[in-house]
Amino acid sequence: EIVMTQSPATLSVSPGERATLSCRASQSVSSNLAWYQQKPGQAPRLLIYGASTRATGIPARFSGSGSGTEFTLTISSLQSEDFAVYYCQQYNNWPVGFGQGTKVEIK
Amino acid sequence: QVQLVQSGAEVKKPGASVKVSCKASGYTFTSYGISWVRQAPGQGLEWMGWISAYNGNTNYAQKLQGRVTMTTDTSTSTAYMELRSLRSDDTAVYYCARDRSVGGLGWFDPWGQGTLVTVSS
Repeated sequence: EIVMTQSPATLSVSPGERATLSCRASQSVSSNLAWYQQKPGQAPRLLIYGASTRATGIPARFSGSGSGTEFTLTISSLQSEDFAVYYCQQYNNWPVGFGQGTKVEIK
Repeated sequence: QVQLVQSGAEVKKPGASVKVSCKASGYTFTSYGISWVRQAPGQGLEWMGWISAYNGNTNYAQKLQGRVTMTTDTSTSTAYMELRSLRSDDTAVYYCARDRSVGGLGWFDPWGQGTLVTVSS
């Protein structure tokens, strides 16, 4: 089973600043990685798939990069609506799996 | 628009079973799979399993093997997840999500609104 590890657990950022979230896989997942955003009381929302392709309707301030075992989600200029929990997910092998999440909070 | 609408909240006693439904609309149901993901209170996301809406093939998380069954009804574009022998640690919000790969191993978009299942004596 591939273990997904996200860091940091919590990221404190001021509005307008850049946020960089990391996700590491215990073995290569190629580019078969997605990122989701979850706000309190809501279902997760797809942001990025294929490691770097933005989903429909996702603002350009969200970008994904990486391949193999190291991945990054960057939010270029944090808006108030971006404070949430972010999860990475690998879909290269069964069982698919999620990281434990990174909470982006207001500094 | 593509939408998944789940059934309402459930309260069950330990040892009972629960069956959650997920009705799809806005796309060809049999062209994709449905994955189920749960989230315990204050915790992260746990993948439970996947079912192909095309041929009914399934793949379940090992820890749930023997307790979970996923099915689909193509006549109503509805997916179901049944979990048996419920325990207190099954208390969670259960989500269905469209799997973007027909064979499984895809990303999930969109997600249903979630169904809270509470297991309590």
